[in-house]
Amino acid sequence: AQSVTQLGSHVSVSEGALVLLRCNYSSSVPPYLFWYVQYPNQGLQLLLKYTTGATLVKGINGFEAEFKKSETSFHLTKPSAHMSDAAEYFCAVSLLGTGGFKTIFGAGTRLFVKA
Amino acid sequence: DADVTQTPRNRITKTGKRIMLECSQTKGHDRMYWYRQDPGLGLRLIYYSFDVKDINKGEISDGYSVSRQAQAKFSLSLESAIPNQTALYFCATSDTGRISGANVLTFGAGSRLTVL
Repeated sequence: AQSVTQLGSHVSVSEGALVLLRCNYSSSVPPYLFWYVQYPNQGLQLLLKYTTGATLVKGINGFEAEFKKSETSFHLTKPSAHMSDAAEYFCAVSLLGTGGFKTIFGAGTRLFVKA
Repeated sequence: DADVTQTPRNRITKTGKRIMLECSQTKGHDRMYWYRQDPGLGLRLIYYSFDVKDINKGEISDGYSVSRQAQAKFSLSLESAIPNQTALYFCATSDTGRISGANVLTFGAGSRLTVL
């Protein structure tokens, strides 16, 4: 069965520090990988996605993620945190099956940014 | 206007009551989904529909039903609400992924349901 594991339900960084949110997945076939962000009182919105090709993917707001097949990982990074990055981040895996795409979400990581 | 609109945004109800959460979209997507979000559990799929005549159960469909009234409308019903259905519910849409290469989900703002 496919699954998504996000290491750390809460991550706290100082403003200007590196942001690293970890995501590992299990899948028997190559998946499509996503990071979504949820700001307070809002729905989720796409941050970035990996489908095929270049394994380093750039998203909105300066975030990027690298697909590492050998490690089954898709960690999210940002060189310098900003206060506005405080939100909950979800890693997701999408797999194409007989009935179409199915998306599985990780449990989420809440990012706190300290001034 | 939002691409995916959910109503109501907040609802408090009592055990045993019937509740309907509604979702409408202007994305023109065929595929619509209902997810439930609980702290520490992420999002779990309740039901999904790939077109008007197609309804499928997700991983946690017990206690829920859905209706796809039109391409743009997908409603979620709790026939007899219970307290452990207290959660944040999200409607989402996607295209088939054949062009984009993956089914990116577009979410509504959520409907917070409290069952007393």
